[in-house]
Amino acid sequence: NAGVTQTPKFRVLKTGQSMTLLCAQDMNHEYMYWYRQDPGMGLRLIHYSVGEGTTAKGEVPDGYNVSRLKKQNFLLGLESAAPSQTSVYFCASSFRFGVPQHFGDGTRLSIL
Amino acid sequence: QQQVKQSPQSLIVQKGGISIINCAYENTAFDYFPWYQQFPGKGPALLIAIRPDVSEKKEGRFTISFNKSAKQFSLHIMDSQPGDSATYFCASHAGNTPLVFGKGTRLSVIA
Repeated sequence: NAGVTQTPKFRVLKTGQSMTLLCAQDMNHEYMYWYRQDPGMGLRLIHYSVGEGTTAKGEVPDGYNVSRLKKQNFLLGLESAAPSQTSVYFCASSFRFGVPQHFGDGTRLSIL
Repeated sequence: QQQVKQSPQSLIVQKGGISIINCAYENTAFDYFPWYQQFPGKGPALLIAIRPDVSEKKEGRFTISFNKSAKQFSLHIMDSQPGDSATYFCASHAGNTPLVFGKGTRLSVIA
């Protein structure tokens, strides 16, 4: 039972490049979330999903897109990366809406 | 608008001492108050949570105290150990809205 798995763990991008962060959970959780964590800012919700095929905006959605084509996977995309998107990104999942129970170990993304 | 205010930002406690982290909220619709623990290089982990119908919840060395009238809640870590050194986040949840996190407290327990 792996819980929540994020790939990749580290990535360096150049400004303007695109990439997709992958999140997979094996607990059959209905709800999934993407957060970013920056020093002194805590955890801020980017997007979330209440089920397969559904997504919604969180607190800081600009510059990101998401997709949930399968219940177990939640993808976060950066279409044109900017230095302000340098951060640690966490995926989480839960049975109860709004309260993440399990987090992945994060993707550390640097944009030059 | 910050809906959950957490203090202090950082805390240093002697081994065996009591660590206390405080949070205050504004939205009276909040009805669930979890705490998360995060070690360096790892994702946060749900540690303990409380509902407003009780004033205290204890799990091992970790206790949440809740004051509904003051709209405040706190995490107490008794007999603090170096292994408790981590960042702690309080949070608040209401109905069908996403969780609101505090900005975190970095705890260092020194021997």
